[in-house]
Amino acid sequence: GAGVSQTPSNKVTEKGKYVELRCDPISGHTALYWYRQSLGQGPEFLIYFQGTGAADDSGLPNDRFFAVRPEGSVSTLKIQRTERGDSAVYLCASSFSGGGETQYFGPGTRLLVL
Amino acid sequence: GDSVTQMEGPVTLSEEAFLTINCTYTATGYPSLFWYVQYPGEGLQLLLKATKADDKGSNKGFEATYRKETTSFHLEKGSVQVSDSAVYFCALSDSGGGADGLTFGKGTHLIIQP
Repeated sequence: GAGVSQTPSNKVTEKGKYVELRCDPISGHTALYWYRQSLGQGPEFLIYFQGTGAADDSGLPNDRFFAVRPEGSVSTLKIQRTERGDSAVYLCASSFSGGGETQYFGPGTRLLVL
Repeated sequence: GDSVTQMEGPVTLSEEAFLTINCTYTATGYPSLFWYVQYPGEGLQLLLKATKADDKGSNKGFEATYRKETTSFHLEKGSVQVSDSAVYFCALSDSGGGADGLTFGKGTHLIIQP
């Protein structure tokens, strides 16, 4: 079966632009997570979906960041008015039902804001 | 809040040496503990996990024991190989505390020389 996929694999944008990053979780997984990994650091939690709803968005750094999962499968992370400090690898993970179960990670989207 | 502290790298060892990577944590609830590995050019993969005190996770010759009394989850391997060269991340999931995202350490870069 396919793993978690993310598109695009790389994204270069200019400061102030809007970007969307897509995550396609493992089929049947109800829990979906977004993380951000800066160079030399571990991933930082951003948001967790259980089905269509955001169960925990405490990791979103500010209101420029928003994520949706309208049909309980694919999710999109949206970043408005990008800043150079947003440059990082954005990771998506999914698990069968959440609750501390194993999370399976995608390859990530490397975002560079110029 | 929850946090994970792991030894800084890089750690450089010769092939067949004994490996220990230290990991300690703080958590408000009763977390599950994980070790993830990131091989060069690849995504994060689960290496092993333990969900309660005194559990031992093991995989590919690696082991880690959940020690509640010392809040530790040290990773060990008796005889490392060049192919073990990677970045290792200790992580916890404190879903009992209401949050479900993983909290990661900063990662330890392991280099095994032939």
